[in-house]
Amino acid sequence: DAKTTQPPSMDCAEGRAANLPCNHSTISGNEYVYWYRQIHSQGPQYIIHGLKNNETNEMASLIITEDRKSSTLILPHATLRDTAVYYCIVRVPFGNEKLTFGTGTRLTIIP
Amino acid sequence: GAVVSQHPSRVICKSGTSVKIECRSLDFQATTMFWYRQFPKKSLMLMATSNEGSKATYEQGVEKDKFLINHASLTLSTLTVTSAHPEDSSFYICSAESRDGTDTQYFGPGTRLTVL
Repeated sequence: DAKTTQPPSMDCAEGRAANLPCNHSTISGNEYVYWYRQIHSQGPQYIIHGLKNNETNEMASLIITEDRKSSTLILPHATLRDTAVYYCIVRVPFGNEKLTFGTGTRLTIIP
Repeated sequence: GAVVSQHPSRVICKSGTSVKIECRSLDFQATTMFWYRQFPKKSLMLMATSNEGSKATYEQGVEKDKFLINHASLTLSTLTVTSAHPEDSSFYICSAESRDGTDTQYFGPGTRLTVL
């Protein structure tokens, strides 16, 4: 059963902020939200993860709603190299729990 | 940091031969590694969980005698596709779990297997 729901595709203009939504309405209290992306013919790349607080790193920001039922990954200034499939995954860390990949969002950055 | 490599990146073999794929964590130790398979235009599917020094745990429907996994050290896991057939042609990707306090999985670049 899918734990997350993401739109199948999105477009974003180069230089603009890309906001990728994810619904995880059945998330449990000890599950974290992880974001990965996969550029064509490459292995997935870790982006960011969080539990309940908003997180930011050099790649992106993660905004998690107060009820934790949804989140948004923000790429502040999208470039053509950000074109990829983005996966939102919920998982309990430190328990050998596997990552279950859904279908993700195919983000296309438009020049 | 947190770099995972795979070798080879691409392999073409004849039907009936065996192919070994290596997965290495280059700058961290990984007691747990994972092997995934991805068919064209599909998402990643977990095949097995590899634990250093013990037997791998296979997902339902994955033949353990066909996909042999060895995790002999904290930085190396291997996947051997035995008696490969054209239907085994796929993109094989490994990941290694970092024990840096975040338990994040980092992925290798993948191996494209084509069986003729």
